[in-house]
Amino acid sequence: GAVVSQHPSRVICKSGTSVKIECRSLDFQATTMFWYRQFPKQSLMLMATSNEGSKATYEQGVEKDKFLINHASLTLSTLTVTSAHPEDSSFYICSASPGGGLAGEDTQYFGPGTRLTVL
Amino acid sequence: GEDVEQSLFLSVREGDSSVINCTYTDSSSTYLYWYKQEPGAGLQLLTYIFSNMDMKQDQRLTVLLNKKDKHLSLRIADTQTGDSAIYFCAESPHKLVFGAGTILRVKS
Repeated sequence: GAVVSQHPSRVICKSGTSVKIECRSLDFQATTMFWYRQFPKQSLMLMATSNEGSKATYEQGVEKDKFLINHASLTLSTLTVTSAHPEDSSFYICSASPGGGLAGEDTQYFGPGTRLTVL
Repeated sequence: GEDVEQSLFLSVREGDSSVINCTYTDSSSTYLYWYKQEPGAGLQLLTYIFSNMDMKQDQRLTVLLNKKDKHLSLRIADTQTGDSAIYFCAESPHKLVFGAGTILRVKS
């Protein structure tokens, strides 16, 4: 149980284009979904937290107009990188949490990640 | 702010035990987690411990928590080559704060 998928797993795009990454919780409903960015040989950096039906909360320094997050349902969140540039190239990982505040319910389950390369 | 620190690298022989250490600063932590990341993949939840526990054992994994010293460790018994990966500790509540990750290399 607690499987999270991401699509696509890898994407290469030209500078200036927009890229959408999907994150789905396959066998549970996710009250909260998180988007992280990971640079090579570094830890995960939280970009934003999203709750179904409400606006995402962005971490300091993350441009909300550049990284659009839509949490349309309890099983789907999307991250759109708008007008992508080479410096946006990174490994993007989502996670989903069933929430509820019970023991272990705050646990985050991670997707397999999406490798974005902007040429 | 919250800070989580880990040793960066650990090398062990196959069959030996591995111990990965982590320290954190947030005394309000409720849950502490260990995740495993293989190359090019997402994070796999290995185990978690609630902050009022001292120890949790799950098959080959043993988690020890010293809340007074804010020290967390993960022991992997009978380490296998398939255990080679990066291990992250993380603390919550609400949002996870990750350590930099410990690279575990298992030599056969």
